[in-house]
Amino acid sequence: LAKTTQPISMDSYEGQEVNITCSHNNIATNDYITWYQQFPSQGPRFIIQGYKTKVTNEVASLFIPADRKSSTLSLPRVSLSDTAVYYCLVGDGGLTGGGNKLTFGTGTQLKVEL
Amino acid sequence: EAGVTQFPSHSVIEKGQTVTLRCDPISGHDNLYWYRRVMGKEIKFLLHFVKESKQDESGMPNNRFLAERTGGTYSTLKVQPAELEDSGVYFCASSQDSTGADTEAFFGQGTRLTVV
Repeated sequence: LAKTTQPISMDSYEGQEVNITCSHNNIATNDYITWYQQFPSQGPRFIIQGYKTKVTNEVASLFIPADRKSSTLSLPRVSLSDTAVYYCLVGDGGLTGGGNKLTFGTGTQLKVEL
Repeated sequence: EAGVTQFPSHSVIEKGQTVTLRCDPISGHDNLYWYRRVMGKEIKFLLHFVKESKQDESGMPNNRFLAERTGGTYSTLKVQPAELEDSGVYFCASSQDSTGADTEAFFGQGTRLTVV
């Protein structure tokens, strides 16, 4: 499984756009990039997943360059409630028969202030 | 629709005792996973069920941990006997499919286990 590297923490203010970049230099051809969000005392929650280029949903956007060695989670106009830990995960989603076993790194603690 | 539920939410037991954690996955999800985070460490995979069968138990730390999923519905994770280093938060997750891009895993809120 490809190792990921992301900043340990980030600070932002309400209304700003937040971009969290994750490095995954050893990503394999079959690997997808998935981001999870975790609030205190809760389990991780799926945010977005992509393979290449750009993916957007109602919560966030995911930008993936052509070489796929990194990805950027973009949260538009954050609010206090977006304060959480954000995990970048890379894996093949079980395509090689291993099941969708998730490998979590340290994550990025995002703190949003007024 | 009910999400993944875990019981209890908290458990405090003495070293050497037995504790059983329960997970009820989302109805219809064949895949059930157990993860745990021990103090100061990352969330780690423990094992994966497909229905009632153990697909991957490579993350189980030792034979003091026993997971079951009778009938392919809810699952239990028993720790016997519990040791201090077993303290942490145990998460359960379920997913509808185990392969492909749309394999979103839904997590429960976790069980915080404290061994004293």
